Amino acid sequence: AQTVTQSQPEMSVQEAETVTLSCTYDTSENNYYLFWYKQPPSRQMILVIRQEAYKQQNATENRFSVNFQKAAKSFSLKISDSQLGDTAMYFCAFMKQGAQKLVFGQGTRLTINP
Amino acid sequence: DAGVTQSPTHLIKTRGQHVTLRCSPISGHKSVSWYQQVLGQGPQFIFQYYEKEERGRGNFPDRFSARQFPNYSSELNVNALLLGDSALYLCASSLWADRLISSGANVLTFGAGSRLTVL
Repeated sequence: AQTVTQSQPEMSVQEAETVTLSCTYDTSENNYYLFWYKQPPSRQMILVIRQEAYKQQNATENRFSVNFQKAAKSFSLKISDSQLGDTAMYFCAFMKQGAQKLVFGQGTRLTINP
Repeated sequence: DAGVTQSPTHLIKTRGQHVTLRCSPISGHKSVSWYQQVLGQGPQFIFQYYEKEERGRGNFPDRFSARQFPNYSSELNVNALLLGDSALYLCASSLWADRLISSGANVLTFGAGSRLTVL
């Protein structure tokens, strides 16, 4: 069974700073996908970024980028030039290829202070 | 285009009662999944349905059941409610198919959830 671990329950940074959220996972699968989802107080889970395990290049989406280390089973999220609207719970998630089941971590509560 | 819609948004039940939660996927999405998110935790997978058939089930008791209709909408039913069933229930849809259409087909789009409180 796969497991996902987020070791930082809470983080807080000032607006415009850069912040990195950590995620590690455990799997015996070789082909899989990794995701970061954001859940603001409105409750809706919103996809931030996605990484295919077979791609060596790290995914980027505007201010969001990942550091994917397959051998270390690590998948961190970097948010550059943080904004107040980035305040939310952030969940790291794993999905093996061919399946539709997401395995989530416990989440990191990120607060961006003005 | 409308996103994934769920109803009701909030509901309160008492122990032993039954609840039905509803979900309408994004137009064109044939796969619907259900997740339970207890306060302070990450979501846990309950079910996945595709083309009206159950394609995956998480570690939940038989009190939990679901179905998918010909229009791809879905219902989650929970019988004999327990206090521990209090949670946010999330529905997600995707383009997933038996044959992978593209790598993007595995991306789940979530609804805003149904908050269930059991007293």
